[in-house]
Amino acid sequence: RKEVEQDPGPFNVPEGATVAFNCTYSNSASQSFFWYRQDCRKEPKLLMSVYSSGNEDGRFTAQLNRASQYISLLIRDSKLSDSATYLCGQAGGTSYGKLTFGQGTILTVHP
Amino acid sequence: DGGITQSPKYLFRKEGQNVTLSCEQNLNHDAMYWYRQDPGQGLRLIYYSQIVNDFQKGDIAEGYSVSREKKESFPLTVTSAQKNPTAFYLCASSISGQTEAFFGQGTRLTVV
Repeated sequence: RKEVEQDPGPFNVPEGATVAFNCTYSNSASQSFFWYRQDCRKEPKLLMSVYSSGNEDGRFTAQLNRASQYISLLIRDSKLSDSATYLCGQAGGTSYGKLTFGQGTILTVHP
Repeated sequence: DGGITQSPKYLFRKEGQNVTLSCEQNLNHDAMYWYRQDPGQGLRLIYYSQIVNDFQKGDIAEGYSVSREKKESFPLTVTSAQKNPTAFYLCASSISGQTEAFFGQGTRLTVV
């Protein structure tokens, strides 16, 4: 079983929509969680770390549910510029320092 | 400027040849990682290292080798044993194994 699983999408939403992605992880020992954004043919860039209490950065909100072993990313008021692939990552699951990622979720925001 | 530098950006090699991809960071990070990404796919972990002179196999280490002789450097060798080496290779580093990682710009390897 993969350590991290995501729905690959694609998600196609109109500008201004709210969209949510989930990501499940298999090992309850996982310590740290992250969301990254990757534009086409570019390297992933950190969007936000995910904390137990949840965290928000502008239009983006991340949540962690340890009981059900998933993390989520909510994007409000979608912009055309939000179109990208969103990757979730976890560290410390099967081995300390092992940082693994899901397969990514493709988001397209259209006018 | 602090950051992670991967070189070269594009690399072509003939089938059967070994090739080494460079990754250097000046962020004073302890942990470094190598990932492979195929078109439309996520990141698959090849090798990772938490400290100098120590590294662990990731999920797809077969056909690859690494070294960590210096804190700043974590080169990846793609050997001739790797059956499908054409891919986008990404190096990353983090302060420790539990903190967020930052990526280099990647190397696109094509086997011809």
